[in-house]
Amino acid sequence: DGGITQSPKYLFRKEGQNVTLSCEQNLNHDAMYWYRQDPGQGLRLIYYSQIVNDFQKGDIAEGYSVSREKKESFPLTVTSAQKNPTAFYLCASSRPEAGPGGYTFGSGTRLTVV
Amino acid sequence: GDSVTQMEGPVTLSEEAFLTINCTYTATGYPSLFWYVQYPGEGLQLLLKATKADDKGSNKGFEATYRKETTSFHLEKGSVQVSDSAVYFCALTHYNTDKLIFGTGTRLQVFP
Repeated sequence: DGGITQSPKYLFRKEGQNVTLSCEQNLNHDAMYWYRQDPGQGLRLIYYSQIVNDFQKGDIAEGYSVSREKKESFPLTVTSAQKNPTAFYLCASSRPEAGPGGYTFGSGTRLTVV
Repeated sequence: GDSVTQMEGPVTLSEEAFLTINCTYTATGYPSLFWYVQYPGEGLQLLLKATKADDKGSNKGFEATYRKETTSFHLEKGSVQVSDSAVYFCALTHYNTDKLIFGTGTRLQVFP
């Protein structure tokens, strides 16, 4: 079955370290997204990519970086510059030509800074 | 900019009670509107959507009607079940951007 795989499910990071969250999809979707979820704040867009080798900043891109070298993969790196990285991170993909908002979400990665 | 406002939770109900979760939006033009549901420890799933004014989205007993005159998209269900306990997100997107803008989410707790 097609879907989005995020790994790992839980991740612990020491302060000052970079860490990379994986997101892979086999839906043949062109667009991919990274959201951050904090209690009481809903989901906020970090980065998005509408096509391979291209991506744009979302609302809270500072302290994060992404790459989109393959259609199937959109990894997110949380750098040491991100001051408060502990959160739940969700990856999503969509096929815009199929109509608005048809997002498929992964099951998320919970990152904790220790 | 565009935004979505949801009622604060948690909403606590007994099984078989009627559910309403309010959602209003601010947007230019004619956005598409969505309700997503998130079960504990999981990602979001699309529950229903409406793409133009007066459209009614429905799924699994849930309904929401796109009301442009009141800029609202309230979620309703006639008889909730314990298994409906989750966080519900209202969202909007414009067709030409396909970026979703979410509300803060409303937690629903249903007790037997």
